[in-house]
Amino acid sequence: EDQVTQSPEALRLQEGESSSLNCSYTVSGLRGLFWYRQDPGKGPEFLFTLYSAGEEKEKERLKATLTKKESFLHITAPKPEDSATYLCAVQSTSGTYKYIFGTGTRLKVLA
Amino acid sequence: EAGVVQSPRYKIIEKKQPVAFWCNPISGHNTLYWYLQNLGQGPELLIRYENEEAVDDSQLPKDRFSAERLKGVDSTLKIQPAELGDSAVYLCASSLSSGTQYFGPGTRLTVL
Repeated sequence: EDQVTQSPEALRLQEGESSSLNCSYTVSGLRGLFWYRQDPGKGPEFLFTLYSAGEEKEKERLKATLTKKESFLHITAPKPEDSATYLCAVQSTSGTYKYIFGTGTRLKVLA
Repeated sequence: EAGVVQSPRYKIIEKKQPVAFWCNPISGHNTLYWYLQNLGQGPELLIRYENEEAVDDSQLPKDRFSAERLKGVDSTLKIQPAELGDSAVYLCASSLSSGTQYFGPGTRLTVL
């Protein structure tokens, strides 16, 4: 069964304190792994798509990496505006290509 | 370019009443999804459309939920009758075929 586990559930950082969020997955065949940011009361906002192990994507203070079992979202020198819930999803090559989401990591960056 | 549009943004109803949500996808996106998101959880797929065809509705509780996507553009999700446990955020997303999904702002449903 396809499964996604995110850790930690919640993370508090001081402004400028770099850290990483983890997304572990099991899937029969990986079509893609997706990172989204979700602010309270809003829908998920697309950040990155990763397709194969070793791939990396960067955007401002965020960098996503992918291995065969997990993905990391690295946050470098975060700012308070980076506070949000970060969701990871995987898409399998089998079946109907639906996304399986993790429960997210709630990030709070303190000024 | 306009994103995914959903309405209403908020809805409060009494249990056993019907409710409907509307979604207009990104222009040109042929695939449309309805998700349910409970507090503190990730979105869970209810139904996926490719053009007018529902290609995955295995997670849709068909005794009370129904959906349609006439003309392969906008879509409506209906619950009749609503139950207390249906209180959640209903998200619509769209994509070009099976590519990256883009989400709307969601409709927050409260059933009293």
